[in-house]
Amino acid sequence: ETGVTQSPTHLIKTRGQQVTLRCSSQSGHNTVSWYQQALGQGPQFIFQYYREEENGRGNFPPRFSGLQFPNYSSELNVNALELDDSALYLCASSLKGPEGEKLFFGSGTQLSVL
Amino acid sequence: AQKITQTQPGMFVQEKEAVTLDCTYDTSDPSYGLFWYKQPSSGEMIFLIYQGSYDQQNATEGRYSLNFQKARKSANLVISASQLGDSAMYFCAMRRNRDDKIIFGKGTRLHILP
Repeated sequence: ETGVTQSPTHLIKTRGQQVTLRCSSQSGHNTVSWYQQALGQGPQFIFQYYREEENGRGNFPPRFSGLQFPNYSSELNVNALELDDSALYLCASSLKGPEGEKLFFGSGTQLSVL
Repeated sequence: AQKITQTQPGMFVQEKEAVTLDCTYDTSDPSYGLFWYKQPSSGEMIFLIYQGSYDQQNATEGRYSLNFQKARKSANLVISASQLGDSAMYFCAMRRNRDDKIIFGKGTRLHILP
């Protein structure tokens, strides 16, 4: 158990819809990052939030957006869903600082876009 | 540009044997961190081991060790005395310390045979 929980575990949407995925970070962690993992691939970095501010972004379009809340929980929002957005979405939390080498991942949300 | 290469898409190893999973990386940053994660079929990414670019000694965590050869830009994972529960996908990852961006390789699927 990593202490990082994601909801929902599975989700089915249709093309053009919007989706919100949620993540509850491990207690005390001030940094959260989101990853997209397509089938058979490694996770791809979407973005990272540190103390409620976006702190880095990968090569994803603006329709991928996020929020981090004061309690360090987080959301990933995807607008205008496309078929290629079907993937496992992983949230990871960490603590910035000397001990911040480890990312603690949740079990992910499996998103299917039809 | 940063890149992680895992050249072994799949491996079959007899139980109790040692196994080496290959990882090479490419970066121009002087400060970075290298990670290995295990992903069982449940989807959760499990942290195994971390190596900092300035660490003089190879990292070890129980049955896991990281064979870090900086000049060759390789960071192979060695699992000693493999167990059936080690069957999973294994991902090598690198963090760029100046902005915490992490990239993952495509993974190696390890099968431990009884």
